[in-house]
Amino acid sequence: ETGVTQTPRHLVMGMTNKKSLKCEQHLGHNAMYWYKQSAKKPLELMFVYSLEERVENNSVPSRFSPECPNSSHLFLHLHTLQPEDSALYLCASSQNWASSYNEQFFGPGTRLTVL
Amino acid sequence: AQSVAQPEDQVNVAEGNPLTVKCTYSVSGNPYLFWYVQYPNRGLQFLLKYITGDNLVKGSYGFEAEFNKSQTSFHLKKPSALVSDSALYFCAVRDIGTTDSWGKLQFGAGTQVVVTP
Repeated sequence: ETGVTQTPRHLVMGMTNKKSLKCEQHLGHNAMYWYKQSAKKPLELMFVYSLEERVENNSVPSRFSPECPNSSHLFLHLHTLQPEDSALYLCASSQNWASSYNEQFFGPGTRLTVL
Repeated sequence: AQSVAQPEDQVNVAEGNPLTVKCTYSVSGNPYLFWYVQYPNRGLQFLLKYITGDNLVKGSYGFEAEFNKSQTSFHLKKPSALVSDSALYFCAVRDIGTTDSWGKLQFGAGTQVVVTP
């Protein structure tokens, strides 16, 4: 698959588990994003990385921990989540994060269910 | 602060009829406006954007959108809808009048489009 890939596509975890979401972009972009998509709500921006440096943390609880080892890979580490964290987590990338006119390219998402 | 509204949760249209999905926005400066589409079990796909210039923007899959500054709107249109256009559509705005506007897309809540045969 080209573009932006995410694994796993589905994840069920208990509140005491630790898991990680992975995102990889094959577009040569230098900015990557994590979004949370809940039913009937606008997409919520969680984190932004530019050139592997975190440039935005949008008041996200510490139980979500991002990691960007290089410009092609982005992780979201999860621990002691709550049932309300169940949602679709979308990864996106774009070129030249400082340019406001560049569109973002999205992965298919990870459907997370917290029991 | 920037915001975007999609006033309709769902739009129903018969195949072959014109399709319109509404979007209005609020920004402090000038807007960059985007439309995305999301098919079931997929991520968002970029359709089109308005940056500057011609108010009528043409995008993928026969979609177009018209930027109307006086009405602060950016409605998505397609002259003849297809069943395969059934999906969730998101409008997004970026306020270029603010210093921290670089990466922040403000998305609407989405409009579900249902096209019936």
